[in-house]
Amino acid sequence: NAGVMQNPRHLVRRRGQEARLRCSPMKGHSHVYWYRQLPEEGLKFMVYLQKENIIDESGMPKERFSAEFPKEGPSILRIQQVVRGDSAAYFCASPDASGNTIYFGEGSWLTVV
Amino acid sequence: AQSVTQLDSQVPVFEEAPVELRCNYSSSVSVYLFWYVQYPNQGLQLLLKYLSGSTLVKGINGFEAEFNKSQTSFHLRKPSVHISDTAEYFCAVRQDSSASKIIFGSGTRLSIRP
Repeated sequence: NAGVMQNPRHLVRRRGQEARLRCSPMKGHSHVYWYRQLPEEGLKFMVYLQKENIIDESGMPKERFSAEFPKEGPSILRIQQVVRGDSAAYFCASPDASGNTIYFGEGSWLTVV
Repeated sequence: AQSVTQLDSQVPVFEEAPVELRCNYSSSVSVYLFWYVQYPNQGLQLLLKYLSGSTLVKGINGFEAEFNKSQTSFHLRKPSVHISDTAEYFCAVRQDSSASKIIFGSGTRLSIRP
């Protein structure tokens, strides 16, 4: 994963609760991507963030989902009032020093019961 | 906009046989191309990438891929597979711009039979 850290690895939430997923990019880097992988599917782009700035949020659902990357601390993907359909693996990614190659974290598996 | 098509959702292969996983892309601009591997319940690991230069790129675990601009393809190959190669393989494309997202294909599940 080349230093992209995600936590928690596994998260269980009841319907209606909030889920918060955290991601720290490769050391010294200030850009992160968030992707979602539904069961038996590929990865879908959600949002691309720079510290204190959202660069591209074209893949984010319009409601209940938000993402931030503050000046200090990790990037956070927040899902409010979770539903069963939010159950998925959420991956964070970070570009390397050249900015050309993107490396992924180990993922956070969200299960909504 | 870019898109990626992986023509085969599943590829069964016998151990020690060669394999090719197909990938085609579409884009109106220059792109970078990638193959990632995902083992069950794990994250994505970069297998190889094409950024520029030689069209034949070699990656980890004995895999290689060839960029063919005229056919807009980036097929992944391995001359002899091992049981441990059983995984999901994703082809991906990214516009050659530092501010662009990476677009994935739907994946190909490679299953190796003994």
